[in-house]
Amino acid sequence: EVQLVESGGGLVQPGRSLKLSCAASGFTFSNYYMAWVRQAPKKGLEWVATISTSGSRTYYPDSVKGRFTISRDNAKSSLYLQMNSLKSEDTATYYCARTATTKGYYFDYWGQGVMVTVSS
Amino acid sequence: DIQMTQSPASLSASLGETVTIECLASEDIYDILAWYQQKPGKSPQLLIYDASSLHTGVPSRFSGSGSGTQYSLKINSLQPEDFASYYCQNGLSALTFGSGTKLEIK
Repeated sequence: EVQLVESGGGLVQPGRSLKLSCAASGFTFSNYYMAWVRQAPKKGLEWVATISTSGSRTYYPDSVKGRFTISRDNAKSSLYLQMNSLKSEDTATYYCARTATTKGYYFDYWGQGVMVTVSS
Repeated sequence: DIQMTQSPASLSASLGETVTIECLASEDIYDILAWYQQKPGKSPQLLIYDASSLHTGVPSRFSGSGSGTQYSLKINSLQPEDFASYYCQNGLSALTFGSGTKLEIK
């Protein structure tokens, strides 16, 4: 059974940093692209970052580019999201998601999510 | 970035009814589109990928269709567990989502 378990969320002040982690199990982690997707309270879904199987390629939307860094440790089956210069608009539930690459990029399994609140 | 316009924003329907949700891309996405279901307090779940392929374990009452810029999700014979929010997602570039459709019981 595919399992993705996020951790590291919490309350953080604007301008500070936070690092999220995602522990994966139930599949061969190193064979899959992985991603982070977030959802602000009562809002829709927003893709945040994607990383290739080896970690050599990373992708971000403009809203987080230069502030967030996605990384992975295949030996530990773990995914990370380093978030710097946090803003109030980064307040959201952050989901770790396995990425299926058929014709495109889809999120076929999701973690339960971890809440990040950016507030003074 | 590719914009995804989803409609309607909300929808009321009865058990056993058939409903359709639409998604319009701002440019051709070559059938590279997914649909997700999200229940309150839960994480999203993949239903459909590549516009019309059913994800593992998804009931056959769910179907997807479309091409170019226009796509739709159809749910036949609504069951109690289908009342949820639904999102489309462009899988081609920038991985943008539609704004969602909340399906409520009438």
